[in-house]
Amino acid sequence: DAGITQSPRHKVTETGTPVTLRCHQTENHRYMYWYRQDPGHGLRLIHYSYGVKDTDKGEVSDGYSVSRSKTEDFLLTLESATSSQTSVYFCAISEPGGDRNGYTFGSGTRLTVV
Amino acid sequence: QQPVQSPQAVILREGEDAVINCSSSKALYSVHWYRQKHGEAPVFLMILLKGGEQKGHEKISASFNEKKQQSSLYLTASQLSYSGTYFCGTPRMDSSYKLIFGSGTRLLVRP
Repeated sequence: DAGITQSPRHKVTETGTPVTLRCHQTENHRYMYWYRQDPGHGLRLIHYSYGVKDTDKGEVSDGYSVSRSKTEDFLLTLESATSSQTSVYFCAISEPGGDRNGYTFGSGTRLTVV
Repeated sequence: QQPVQSPQAVILREGEDAVINCSSSKALYSVHWYRQKHGEAPVFLMILLKGGEQKGHEKISASFNEKKQQSSLYLTASQLSYSGTYFCGTPRMDSSYKLIFGSGTRLLVRP
């Protein structure tokens, strides 16, 4: 009964193909985020959402797009996957009053682009 | 704008203490701390909201000094379960709810 789930957990894809990662929450949190995690870089923000159909770019958004048509789902799409997008992707959620509420992270998606 | 964490890695014996630091070149008004075990998701530990405030979680506590733009995480009498990577996160200047994370401090506690 995890409050946030990511799918798939692992994926291998070929360079140039589109890929969509899904984040699903059951907590009804307003804010949702996509981060990527690479050795030596920590967690870097790709895109975030502050409500249904309200999204904006993070620090490393090039090559990625997102959509949020429902409160519970936040999709991350790699339009044409490249090897530099091989990474572990984490979705996170938080409540308004973000400076007082911590993030809850999903279990991550390990993506390999070959 | 990314906060700087130090040290990058630390190895302890069970029962020893450790301090992890997080500093920023920008003004801070809050700092988050998370722990991530290998192969798992980061887990929220605590938020420091006020300058000089200290909070605790089990035998893990933290301080936040607004003037110095830094926070420190204190792990006392470390346990094997404390092993993992610790991240600090600070809000972006344009929004209080978007966090920028440091690159992490790897902590290994040995028996």
